[in-house]
Amino acid sequence: AQSVTQLGSHVSVSEGALVLLRCNYSSSVPPYLFWYVQYPNQGLQLLLKYTSAATLVKGINGFEAEFKKSETSFHLTKPSAHMSDAAEYFCAVTSKAAGNKLTFGGGTRVLVKP
Amino acid sequence: DTAVSQTPKYLVTQMGNDKSIKCEQNLGHDTMYWYKQDSKKFLKIMFSYNNKELIINETVPNRFSPKSPDKAHLNLHINSLELGDSAVYFCASSQETGVLSGYTFGSGTRLTVV
Repeated sequence: AQSVTQLGSHVSVSEGALVLLRCNYSSSVPPYLFWYVQYPNQGLQLLLKYTSAATLVKGINGFEAEFKKSETSFHLTKPSAHMSDAAEYFCAVTSKAAGNKLTFGGGTRVLVKP
Repeated sequence: DTAVSQTPKYLVTQMGNDKSIKCEQNLGHDTMYWYKQDSKKFLKIMFSYNNKELIINETVPNRFSPKSPDKAHLNLHINSLELGDSAVYFCASSQETGVLSGYTFGSGTRLTVV
């Protein structure tokens, strides 16, 4: 079975400050990990993905994430927050054994203060 | 040009009614999904179809019946709607190798049962 835990349902950051969103996964087989962003009243958009190549993954809008197997983590970061980063962020896991089934974490809402 | 389109975007209906949500993708993907997002933003997979065949059927009441007339369409029919069915329903698609490419999501259908 696979699962994802996102620590912190809400994160508040100041504009220009570091954004750090935490994601820990559980998987009995090598995982594939994703971060999605959901803007208000919209669908989910893929930010970045880890698929067993480089452990440091760069995505859109200046976000990046690092896969750490020893810590079973895939935390998302952005050096400098922008007002447009205010959204809900979801970490997700799947694997070949899971048959394409994406399992999502509970989401983290990011609030950016001016 | 929309990659995954869902209709309707909003649906308000009374308890006991039967309703359908339609989904179409123009990406040439062979796998489609329905996800339910509850009021706490938690996303849970409901169904998955690959080339018109059901491959994932999570624990969903049998009042929910998906139908895939072809690999570009996956509709969701709900009988005898209940208050607890109120949620946002997302359609998504991927290639069978979706573990590597991630999903493409539609913008969601907000269902409100009154």
